[in-house]
Amino acid sequence: NAGVTQTPKFQVLKTGQSMTLQCAQDMNHEYMSWYRQDPGMGLRLIHYSVGAGITDQGEVPNGYNVSRSTTEDFPLRLLSAAPSQTSVYFCASKLIAGVVNNEQFFGPGTRLTVL
Amino acid sequence: EDKVVQSPLSLVVHEGDTVTLNCSYEVTNFRSLLWYKQEKKAPTFLFMLTSSGIEKKSGRLSSILDKKELFSILNITATQTGDSAVYLCAVFDRGSTLGRLYFGRGTQLTVWP
Repeated sequence: NAGVTQTPKFQVLKTGQSMTLQCAQDMNHEYMSWYRQDPGMGLRLIHYSVGAGITDQGEVPNGYNVSRSTTEDFPLRLLSAAPSQTSVYFCASKLIAGVVNNEQFFGPGTRLTVL
Repeated sequence: EDKVVQSPLSLVVHEGDTVTLNCSYEVTNFRSLLWYKQEKKAPTFLFMLTSSGIEKKSGRLSSILDKKELFSILNITATQTGDSAVYLCAVFDRGSTLGRLYFGRGTQLTVWP
C-alpha cells in the first residue's frame, strides 16, 4: 500500500490563480480530510468527507472547495489564491468516520506559497 | 478559542533529561485523545487514549489521560536528540454525527547533545 499520497509537494502561485491539490489513499478508508498547518497554529481542519459524495466544512473552509467522487480521491481546490493561503497542507484518512479506535494517517504534505 | 491547549509551546533540554508535555482540552463530546510526533514532515501517530488512568507506553514514551480534569500528559524519559520534534495533541469530538479531530498548537521539543 502506498498509504496517503499528495501532489504536488511544492507549489508557488500568484494571487488570483486557481489550483487543485491532489490527495489519494489506497487503504479503502471511509474518512478523508484536509488540514492546513501554519507556524504556531497547529493543524486546522479545512474540509472533510465521510464517504463518496459526502463532504462537510471544517474550521477554516473559506476559499477552498472539495469533492469526493470516489473513495480513493479527495482533491482540494483553491478557487482564487490569496497570500493568506500560504501554508503547508496535509491530507489525512482513517478507516471509519465516527469510530474512536482507528488511527488517522497523514500524507507527506504540500507546501504552498502564494505571492 | 482553542479547544485543545498544549504547554509548554517550546522546551529545550539536554540529552538524558526527562520531559513532560501537557495537553488540556474542552470539547462537547470527548471520545479520544491522540498524540502525534512531527518532524519536518507529516505527523506520525504515537498514542490514542480513551480511558482515564490507563498508561500507554512505548519505549521511553508514555502517556496518560485524566478525563475528570480534562488533560493528558506525554512523558519522555532519557531524551535523545532524535526526540527533537513538534509533539501534537489532538482530541476527537463526537459532538456531531461525523465527529471531528481538533489539534493543539504543538510543543516544540529540542534536545541538545
